Amino acid sequence: DAGVTQSPTHLIKTRGQQVTLRCSPISGHKSVSWYQQVLGQGPQFIFQYYEKEERGRGNFPDRFSARQFPNYSSELNVNALLLGDSALYLCASSLLSGSNEATQYFGPGTRLLVL
Amino acid sequence: QKEVEQNSGPLSVPEGAIASLNCTYSDRGSQSFFWYRQYSGKSPELIMFIYSNGDKEDGRFTAQLNKASQYVSLLIRDSQPSDSATYLCAAAGGGNTPLVFGKGTRLSVIA
Repeated sequence: DAGVTQSPTHLIKTRGQQVTLRCSPISGHKSVSWYQQVLGQGPQFIFQYYEKEERGRGNFPDRFSARQFPNYSSELNVNALLLGDSALYLCASSLLSGSNEATQYFGPGTRLLVL
Repeated sequence: QKEVEQNSGPLSVPEGAIASLNCTYSDRGSQSFFWYRQYSGKSPELIMFIYSNGDKEDGRFTAQLNKASQYVSLLIRDSQPSDSATYLCAAAGGGNTPLVFGKGTRLSVIA
């Protein structure tokens, strides 16, 4: 079975631009979460979606937004990019949200560099 | 503020030895705990999860959970150079709470 897929793998943007990152969960998984990981730190939670509804949001500014589509794939959008947005963006999928079946499996990530 | 604390390391062990990785968490409401391995430049890969107090074994890996002490550990037996990576500990509560990660412990297994 295919794992979590993310695109693109790498991205270079300049300050002030906008970026859209994409994620497809494991087949049968209905929950998608997004995390940001800066160098030397653990992943930080950004958003969680389950059945196309936002179920949680981390401490990130409104420049960050996301959505989940009927096929459970998801997009993360970041507007007005700042240098500090440079990070590895991780998508994780799980079977269910908020239960003992919520083990999350990560995709390969999108490495974003903002110049 | 929900926090997960890990010693950043590096933790160096000789090949064949037992590596012991530790993690503490602040939120007593945390119910499930996860260990992920992350190679440099790659994404986290799930090693084990544990929900109940005590030990859980999977091959060379043993996860230990002590909810009274708010302590989670991962033991790696017969460590191999391929185990050299950063190990991330994560905790999650019930309901819709997301994973809270520690900063990770860098493990180096010396051949």
